[in-house]
Amino acid sequence: DTAVSQTPKYLVTQMGNDKSIKCEQNLGHDTMYWYKQDSKKFLKIMFSYNNKELIINETVPNRFSPKSPDKAHLNLHINSLELGDSAVYFCASSQGIRGEETQYFGPGTRLLVL
Amino acid sequence: DAKTTQPNSMESNEEEPVHLPCNHSTISGTDYIHWYRQLPSQGPEYVIHGLTSNVNNRMASLAIAEDRKSSTLILHRATLRDAAVYYCILRDHNNDMRFGAGTRLTVKP
Repeated sequence: DTAVSQTPKYLVTQMGNDKSIKCEQNLGHDTMYWYKQDSKKFLKIMFSYNNKELIINETVPNRFSPKSPDKAHLNLHINSLELGDSAVYFCASSQGIRGEETQYFGPGTRLLVL
Repeated sequence: DAKTTQPNSMESNEEEPVHLPCNHSTISGTDYIHWYRQLPSQGPEYVIHGLTSNVNNRMASLAIAEDRKSSTLILHRATLRDAAVYYCILRDHNNDMRFGAGTRLTVKP
């Protein structure tokens, strides 16, 4: 069983389009995250949800909107895609937000904007 | 945010121990030291974490300096599958994890 799953695995799209990436975790965790890994391989936190509530919202363009329909899902919707949005997006989850919590990452969604 | 410093890259021979260092001189008393690794084309994977005492698990050992300003991840017998980027991260309560550049470990057969 996959603990944290993401769909799609690959996403190729044109500039200006709107797309969504879905994330699901079957670990019963309360907290979920979205990270972006750019071409230089730096991983940056984008959003964090705890019990369906947004707790971390880094400086991310408002074209990016996370949505958590329930604790097991955190989807990422991106409007008006730009070339610079090309990256690998990772979803993760943890039991909670304490310092000792382990995060479990999904396999990533490779987004290419043409 | 407390930050960490790691060497950009390290090499090891297969079946030999590997010691991956991390400096975190500005660590606060409540920061946990986490290690994750990222294998090629995969998401980050938890390795180990600790607060003050040394820690062991099936993957690795974590040695934490007495003043907590540095730590070392120890892979007791490196295998080719251990080739990855290893990240040393500090995390406090209610704070997110900030990934640095990590150390790229190459394992030679």
